[in-house]
Amino acid sequence: GDSVTQMEGPVTLSEEAFLTINCTYTATGYPSLFWYVQYPGEGLQLLLKATKADDKGSNKGFEATYRKETTSFHLEKGSVQVSDSAVYFCASYNQGGKLIFGQGTELSVKP
Amino acid sequence: GAGVSQTPSNKVTEKGKYVELRCDPISGHTALYWYRQSLGQGPEFLIYFQGTGAADDSGLPNDRFFAVRPEGSVSTLKIQRTERGDSAVYLCASSLTERGTQYFGPGTRLTVL
Repeated sequence: GDSVTQMEGPVTLSEEAFLTINCTYTATGYPSLFWYVQYPGEGLQLLLKATKADDKGSNKGFEATYRKETTSFHLEKGSVQVSDSAVYFCASYNQGGKLIFGQGTELSVKP
Repeated sequence: GAGVSQTPSNKVTEKGKYVELRCDPISGHTALYWYRQSLGQGPEFLIYFQGTGAADDSGLPNDRFFAVRPEGSVSTLKIQRTERGDSAVYLCASSLTERGTQYFGPGTRLTVL
């Protein structure tokens, strides 16, 4: 069945550092791909999405490009802030109603 | 407008008891989803409603779990004879259409003692 694998955390960075969180997927066909973020004490929020190959999703300085050839959707940000500290989830959506989530990557940004 | 709301935010119960968890979706959203998130894991799909009917309940772990959405809006997840392994955060999400972006509620943290 479909699955999503993302790099394990926790990831600890200094403020203004470059961020990459890796995400790969397995699916039949071509799923839509998402990054969700869960800030401390809050619910899951959609960060960005891409619905077809080579699409780039972006929001709040974060970017991810849908790479069909490598079945990847890596999350990047050029300069992280303390306020970016959160748990990030990669997810895929192929058919039916279900999102398939990765296990989450905790990011901690130190001033 | 108001987002997805879930009540209660926390529920502590004893093993063997019955619990109900409520979800109020965003007004006008036709699709409603339930997920379960265990500590340190990503959410796992339980069941999905399109309108009043369960379109996919393949994620329900066993027959102790049941969910309803009688009027196509509010949904209730029901768990009978709770077990300690049922302890988790139960998340509800809704979307405007079947393939639309899913918006999540804050979750209900269930603890079974």
